[in-house]
Amino acid sequence: EVQLVESGGGLVQPGESLRLSCAASGFTFSNYWMSWVRQAPGKGLEWVANIKQDGSETYYVDSVKGRFSISRDNAKNSLFLQMTSLRADDTAVYYCLRDYQGYWGQGTLVTVSS
Amino acid sequence: QAVVTQEPSLTVSPGGTVTLTCGSSTGAVTSGHWPYWFQQKPGQAPRTLIYDTSNKLSWTPARFSGSLLGGKAALTLSGAQPEDEAEYYCLLNYSGARVFGGGTKLTVL
Repeated sequence: EVQLVESGGGLVQPGESLRLSCAASGFTFSNYWMSWVRQAPGKGLEWVANIKQDGSETYYVDSVKGRFSISRDNAKNSLFLQMTSLRADDTAVYYCLRDYQGYWGQGTLVTVSS
Repeated sequence: QAVVTQEPSLTVSPGGTVTLTCGSSTGAVTSGHWPYWFQQKPGQAPRTLIYDTSNKLSWTPARFSGSLLGGKAALTLSGAQPEDEAEYYCLLNYSGARVFGGGTKLTVL
């Protein structure tokens, strides 16, 4: 059974950093592109970033370029999102998503507030 | 980045048929955009209904189908059930980057 479990969310102040993790199981993690998707309170889904199987290609939504960095550790079946210079409008539930066939985690809440 | 458009809201009668569409600001949606469709109910994580235009997952009810229609991706619900009331999102691929549509709130009434 495919499982994706996000962790690392919490309350941070504007300008601070946070690192999200996603633990994958039930499939060969290194075979798949992986994405991060977020959803601000009461808003729609927003694709944030994705990463190729070997980490050699990454893509980002314009609003996080230069501030967020996606990475992965295939040996540990883990996906990461390093978030820096956080802003209030980064407040959202962040989901881990296996690109192919679209398997979702349950999400982790990031709140940016002073 | 591209803008993906969906109907903000639609209403369907129980047992009726409705088609949700997903358009792209860059032109016609093709299979190369790998259209995905997701369903989200309040308080829940999204779940995938359709991937790569028309492929279903094991949990996708048979009454849902995906296609390309008139230059857009389309999700058709045939025989709507009360439990199909939800928000529906499409996702398109643009040479690696992805963009979600704004979502369609589907009411079954």
